[in-house]
Amino acid sequence: LAKTTQPISMDSYEGQEVNITCSHNNIATNDYITWYQQFPSQGPRFIIQGYKTKVTNEVASLFIPADRKSSTLSLPRVSLSDTAVYYCLVGNQGGKLIFGQGTELSVKP
Amino acid sequence: ETGVTQTPRHLVMGMTNKKSLKCEQHLGHNAMYWYKQSAKKPLELMFVYSLEERVENNSVPSRFSPECPNSSHLFLHLHTLQPEDSALYLCASSQGTTSGTLSYNEQFFGPGTRLTVL
Repeated sequence: LAKTTQPISMDSYEGQEVNITCSHNNIATNDYITWYQQFPSQGPRFIIQGYKTKVTNEVASLFIPADRKSSTLSLPRVSLSDTAVYYCLVGNQGGKLIFGQGTELSVKP
Repeated sequence: ETGVTQTPRHLVMGMTNKKSLKCEQHLGHNAMYWYKQSAKKPLELMFVYSLEERVENNSVPSRFSPECPNSSHLFLHLHTLQPEDSALYLCASSQGTTSGTLSYNEQFFGPGTRLTVL
């Protein structure tokens, strides 16, 4: 399974765009890239998943360059409620989600 | 509300007790999972069930015993636990194929059970 590396923590202010980059140098051809969000004492929540180029939904965008060795989760105009831990996962093995340490995002007023 | 419920939300037990955690999903999924999250550590996958058959057991000690009586319910039976087993236990579900093959689909997590072992 591909190993992922992402910053341990990030700070931002309300209304800013936040970009969290994840490195996955040994991503396999059939691997997908998925991001989850977790608030304290809650289960993770799926944010977005992609394979290549750009994916956008109502909460975030996911940018994946052509070599797929990294990906960037973009959160537009964050609010205080976006303070959470964000996990980047890479894989294709059904059901086997491997969570790393994640990025602890702190949004300040 | 994710469609996955867990009870109890909090549990305190002694090392000699026997207790069970319950998970129920209302999403019509055919795969269910148990995860453990210790303080300041990543989530660890414990067990995976697909079509009520256990398909993954990640070297979990035998003091944790899962049970999946049907595709909507998942239990984790606990006995003779250790203090280091104190953690947040999370249940999740997802939709695999009709043949039971697990796909890399979105997993829906419950709120978790906060377990404290004294």
